Amino acid sequence: GQSLEQPSEVTAVEGAIVQINCTYQTSGFYGLSWYQQHDGGAPTFLSYNALDGLEETGRFSSFLSRSDSYGYLLLQELQMKDSASYFCAVRAAGNNRKLIWGLGTSLAVNP
Amino acid sequence: NAGVTQTPKFRILKIGQSMTLQCTQDMNHNYMYWYRQDPGMGLKLIYYSVGAGITDKGEVPNGYNVSRSTTEDFPLRLELAAPSQTSVYFCASSGAQGPNTGELFFGEGSRLTVL
Repeated sequence: GQSLEQPSEVTAVEGAIVQINCTYQTSGFYGLSWYQQHDGGAPTFLSYNALDGLEETGRFSSFLSRSDSYGYLLLQELQMKDSASYFCAVRAAGNNRKLIWGLGTSLAVNP
Repeated sequence: NAGVTQTPKFRILKIGQSMTLQCTQDMNHNYMYWYRQDPGMGLKLIYYSVGAGITDKGEVPNGYNVSRSTTEDFPLRLELAAPSQTSVYFCASSGAQGPNTGELFFGEGSRLTVL
């Protein structure tokens, strides 16, 4: 089967750095996406990695290792507003442009 | 710029009733998707469409139907509502590059309760 694994909860303090990991098992792979979802809100796109390495966008960075079937989202200089759920999603080969979603990581940022 | 608009935002249905969740996008996107999200869970794909007149089943299509007569609209029909269909429903769309970049644009969701 195809699956993604990510931690269910992470807690951190304001100003800190947190890393949310995602490992995947899929038949073929095109890329790994990350989404943020605040309570009761719509998921919003954060980043996409198709190639190995680190992509940086402001305080958020995303990393991919295709050989390890692994990626992570790195959030720096945490702010209270970063408290949300973070989902990884994979576009797998042969999936006709559909995404496979992880169950999400709930991030709580404390003062 | 409206993006993806879903209506209604909230709805309570009785078991056995039917209803349609509306979704429209103004970005001229070819790809549209319907997801459901249960509490504390990820997104499950119900149906998707790669263009007007073309629809296909996702992971959990039973109890639902869709149509795509225009590029803009992608309504989701619930027939004979059941308590198991209590969920938050999200409509999403993506442009030509969206499937290659994993970038979907989501509506604000429709919260459905079946009693």
